[in-house]
Amino acid sequence: AQSVTQPDIHITVSEGASLELRCNYSYGATPYLFWYVQSPGQGLQLLLKYFSGDTLVQGIKGFEAEFKRSQSSFNLRKPSVHWRAAAEYFCAVAPTGTASKLTFGTGTRLQVTL
Amino acid sequence: DAMVIQNPRYQVTQFGKPVTLSCSQTLNHNVMYWYQQKSSQAPKLLFHYYDKDFNNEADTPDNFQSRRPNTSFCFLDIRSPGLGDAAMYLCATSRARGEAIQETQYFGPGTRLLVL
Repeated sequence: AQSVTQPDIHITVSEGASLELRCNYSYGATPYLFWYVQSPGQGLQLLLKYFSGDTLVQGIKGFEAEFKRSQSSFNLRKPSVHWRAAAEYFCAVAPTGTASKLTFGTGTRLQVTL
Repeated sequence: DAMVIQNPRYQVTQFGKPVTLSCSQTLNHNVMYWYQQKSSQAPKLLFHYYDKDFNNEADTPDNFQSRRPNTSFCFLDIRSPGLGDAAMYLCATSRARGEAIQETQYFGPGTRLLVL
């Protein structure tokens, strides 16, 4: 079975600083990979996804993520963070061929200081 | 425009009193999912419908049931809520199954359930 680890429970960055949120997965092959964001009291919004092909994926709100097979990682990045980016970020993995079977990481809470 | 709608946003029930949460979608997606998300935890899939085909996760308690009367609506029934069932319940949809792009899930805002 697949699993996903988000090593950082909580991250604080200053507004305007760059951001990288880590995600590592465990799966026997190349899985499908996703990043979702959850604002307080809200549902999950899809930021970006990786199925195959180009390992650098562009998403909404200026986010990007890079799939690195050798490191089993799918880290989320943003060059400059706005205070509105403060939220919980979830990485998720699904087995190849069954993208409906999402397994989520435990999330990283992002705080942005002014 | 709201695409996955959950009502109510907040629900208070009493210990042991049956409660129903609802989800509707305007996307005409074939697949609908229910997740449970406890405080500071990852969402956990309870079950999903592919059209009328119900798929229960192996570790979903019998206390949780679901109904899907038509494409647009899906309900989560908790027959006898316990204190441990207090959580955010998230509904999601995907267009279809069998091809990754069609299986991408879109979530509603969630219903937060409080059990007194």
